Amino acid sequence: DSGVTQTPKHLITATGQRVTLRCSPRSGDLSVYWYQQSLDQGLQFLIQYYNGEERAKGNILERFSAQQFPDLHSELNLSSLELGDSALYFCASNQHSTGRGDTDTQYFGPGTRLTVL
Amino acid sequence: KNQVEQSPQSLIILEGKNCTLQCNYTVSPFSNLRWYKQDTGRGPVSLTIMTFSENTKSNGRYTATLDADTKQSSLHITASQLSDSASYICVVRWRGSGYALNFGKGTSLLVTP
Repeated sequence: DSGVTQTPKHLITATGQRVTLRCSPRSGDLSVYWYQQSLDQGLQFLIQYYNGEERAKGNILERFSAQQFPDLHSELNLSSLELGDSALYFCASNQHSTGRGDTDTQYFGPGTRLTVL
Repeated sequence: KNQVEQSPQSLIILEGKNCTLQCNYTVSPFSNLRWYKQDTGRGPVSLTIMTFSENTKSNGRYTATLDADTKQSSLHITASQLSDSASYICVVRWRGSGYALNFGKGTSLLVTP
């Protein structure tokens, strides 16, 4: 158990809908990272938050957004869902922001499996 | 473009045998390289992290090597166990501004009895 929790475990929804994925980082971790993992794509970095502020962006679509709250939990909002958005969405956390702690390990949550029908 | 290529794509070995997974990258300038193990349907778990000055790092039966000159890394698994069946992902960090982790697509390893 990594200490990172994600809810829900599974989510099934229809195209055009909007969903929210939730992540609680390990106790004491300030950074939260979101990743998408499709069957044929491997892990794709979406976005990072550090202590409530957006720190880095990856391949995140405009239909997707995220935020980190004062208690450090984070939410990933996916809207106007398409079939291609079906994937595993992982959250990871660690203590450091970008540029510090280069060797700092990220701890991954169990993921949320999103199925768009 | 920064890329990370892993080989083989998949591998089947007998329990007790050794195996080596490869990772080639073009990421430059390079900061560090990580190997993760990902069981099916679960989040990745870190095995090793190496900076450019490290040539080898071990974690139990897992030994990672790094040649920063040729931009190659390998993960050697000794005396494989059924529980080693998983996807092994190579991740290379770019030393630049912003966040830049470059992920390989992974090698899927199946250890059979």
